[in-house]
Amino acid sequence: NAGVTQTPKFQVLKTGQSMTLQCAQDMNHNSMYWYRQDPGMGLRLIYYSASEGTTDKGEVPNGYNVSRLNKREFSLRLESAAPSQTSVYFCASSVFRTVDTQYFGPGTRLTVL
Amino acid sequence: GIQVEQSPPDLILQEGANSTLRCNFSDSVNNLQWFHQNPWGQLINLFYIPSGTKQNGRLSATTVATERYSLLYISSSQTTDSGVYFCAANTGNQFYFGTGTSLTVIP
Repeated sequence: NAGVTQTPKFQVLKTGQSMTLQCAQDMNHNSMYWYRQDPGMGLRLIYYSASEGTTDKGEVPNGYNVSRLNKREFSLRLESAAPSQTSVYFCASSVFRTVDTQYFGPGTRLTVL
Repeated sequence: GIQVEQSPPDLILQEGANSTLRCNFSDSVNNLQWFHQNPWGQLINLFYIPSGTKQNGRLSATTVATERYSLLYISSSQTTDSGVYFCAANTGNQFYFGTGTSLTVIP
C-alpha cells in the first residue's frame, strides 16, 4: 500500500495563477484533510471531508476550495494564488473523523512569487 | 478554537538520555494525538491517546483529560529521534496542532 500520496511535490506559482493539489489514499479511509504548515508553526486545518460527498471548512479556509472526487481522492484548489499562500501543504486521512489517528502524505512545497 | 501549547520549544539531548515533552490544551477534547516530523518533513503518527497511558517501544504517552494535558516520554534517546514532535487536539469538527517541540539528539 502506498498510503497517502500527494502531487506535485514542489510547485512555484506567480501571484494570480491557479492550481490544484492532488491527494489520494489507498487505505479505504472515510475522512480526509488538508493542512498547511508555515515555518516555525504547527499545522492548520484548511478543509476536511468527513466522508465521501461532504466537505467542511477548517480553521483557515479563505482562498481555497476542495473537492472530494471519490472515497480515495481529495483535491485542494487555489483559484488565485497569493504570496501569503506560500507554505507546505499536507493531506491526511483517517478511518473516521474524530476517533482515529490521521496518516499524512509527504507534503507539497508551494511557493507563490 | 482551543489553544494547544507545547513545551519546551527546543530540546537538545545526548544520545541515551531520557526526556519528557508536554502538551497543554485549553478545553475539553475528543482526542489527542502525538506526531513526529522527521528532518525530511514526513509526519508519522506516534500515539492516538484521548486518555490514559500507552507505550510503544522506547516511547510512551499519557493523557490526563480532566487536567487538560498530555505527556510524551522518550527513553534512551537515539539520533533518529531528532525532529519536531507535535501534539494535536480534536474538538468537534476541528483539529488544532501545537507549535511543536524541536528535539536534537547528539551522538
